Amino acid sequence: GAVVSQHPSRVICKSGTSVKIECRSLDFQATTMFWYRQFPKQSLMLMATSNEGSKATYEQGVEKDKFLINHASLTLSTLTVTSAHPEDSSFYICSALSRDRGLSNYGYTFGSGTRLTVV
Amino acid sequence: AQKITQTQPGMFVQEKEAVTLDCTYDTSDPSYGLFWYKQPSSGEMIFLIYQGSYDQQNATEGRYSLNFQKARKSANLVISASQLGDSAMYFCAPVANAGGTSYGKLTFGQGTILTVHP
Repeated sequence: GAVVSQHPSRVICKSGTSVKIECRSLDFQATTMFWYRQFPKQSLMLMATSNEGSKATYEQGVEKDKFLINHASLTLSTLTVTSAHPEDSSFYICSALSRDRGLSNYGYTFGSGTRLTVV
Repeated sequence: AQKITQTQPGMFVQEKEAVTLDCTYDTSDPSYGLFWYKQPSSGEMIFLIYQGSYDQQNATEGRYSLNFQKARKSANLVISASQLGDSAMYFCAPVANAGGTSYGKLTFGQGTILTVHP
């Protein structure tokens, strides 16, 4: 089935530094990438939606200058947390929507997530 | 706009018994789909089952089935013969649908933590 490779799975960074998270679709083209954030035992909150080659659309309350999203190709999207602070510590997970909706999972494939800890 | 409600923060079930996880939704989309996902402690999102709003029959996938009541806007997940490995957080998520094809963002309910006891 379709696979989205998300890296890193865990990262610890110092306050004030930037962290880049990658999501790469393997063997399929992702027309749209969704980025979610999740705190422990809570729901997934959508941060932004990106389409290949265009600017991301951010959800209300999400700082676009802090969470930079790049979707430069149909197989790669990145989320960069800039000037990270401890409150940015969270679980970040991407979901790729395939151009081919006949793929498994009705077109939506999730990465395995990234646990970010800012110290 | 979509609103999803999962009213059970936590559920407990005995191994080998069946359990129903509730989900109600409110959507303005004339055609839509409903997903259920399982999230174990590792964090990955595991697709379980999908129901289209115009599907005539309730969806089933192995031990998972959907009790879809369109008029009541509910799509409850039924897990039969629970296993210890079913312990996880479960989310429902509606999605817009056109011509049988889903598109747009998934908006998740609050989730239900299921614990299966031996």
